[in-house]
Amino acid sequence: DTAVSQTPKYLVTQMGNDKSIKCEQNLGHDTMYWYKQDSKKFLKIMFSYNNKELIINETVPNRFSPKSPDKAHLNLHINSLELGDSAVYFCASSHAGTSYTGELFFGEGSRLTVL
Amino acid sequence: AQTVTQSQPEMSVQEAETVTLSCTYDTSESNYYLFWYKQPPSRQMILVIRQEAYKQQNATENRFSVNFQKAAKSFSLKISDSQLGDTAMYFCAFMKRKGAQKLVFGQGTRLTINP
Repeated sequence: DTAVSQTPKYLVTQMGNDKSIKCEQNLGHDTMYWYKQDSKKFLKIMFSYNNKELIINETVPNRFSPKSPDKAHLNLHINSLELGDSAVYFCASSHAGTSYTGELFFGEGSRLTVL
Repeated sequence: AQTVTQSQPEMSVQEAETVTLSCTYDTSESNYYLFWYKQPPSRQMILVIRQEAYKQQNATENRFSVNFQKAAKSFSLKISDSQLGDTAMYFCAFMKRKGAQKLVFGQGTRLTINP
């Protein structure tokens, strides 16, 4: 049973299109994240949600809109895709509060290629 | 703002040798976590080892151990008896213990274990 699952794992699309990546975790965690890994392998946080509430928004263009329908799901919608959006997007989750250990559990990543 | 620096973009050793990956960080926080994550070619981010800054004892996990020097803000990873399966990108990461749970990653070190 996959703990943090993302779909799709690969996505190829044209510039200007709109696309979504979905993420689900079955670990009972309160906090979920989106990270972006660029072509040089550098990882940077984009968003964080705690119990469906946006906690972190790291100067990401407003073409990126996260949505958390419940605390087990965090989706990422991207409008008007640009070449520079090509990257691997990782979803992650963690405990919060008294169960907090700092450890994040990552999904397998979704590789987005914009042509 | 916190920064994490890994000064070794690539390293290569023979199987069964010991290898040490370097990491330095900059922060004004006194209470935080440090991590080493492994990213094999499969792309999945896997936690290797975790250190809490208030603990003076260095963390160990089987063949993996760290040398945590808080005053020097240094956090190196030692892999003993290296195995072919250790071939991966290794990321050092920092997280404040309080406030927004945000992992700040280093640039990564690509480690190759040769047979």
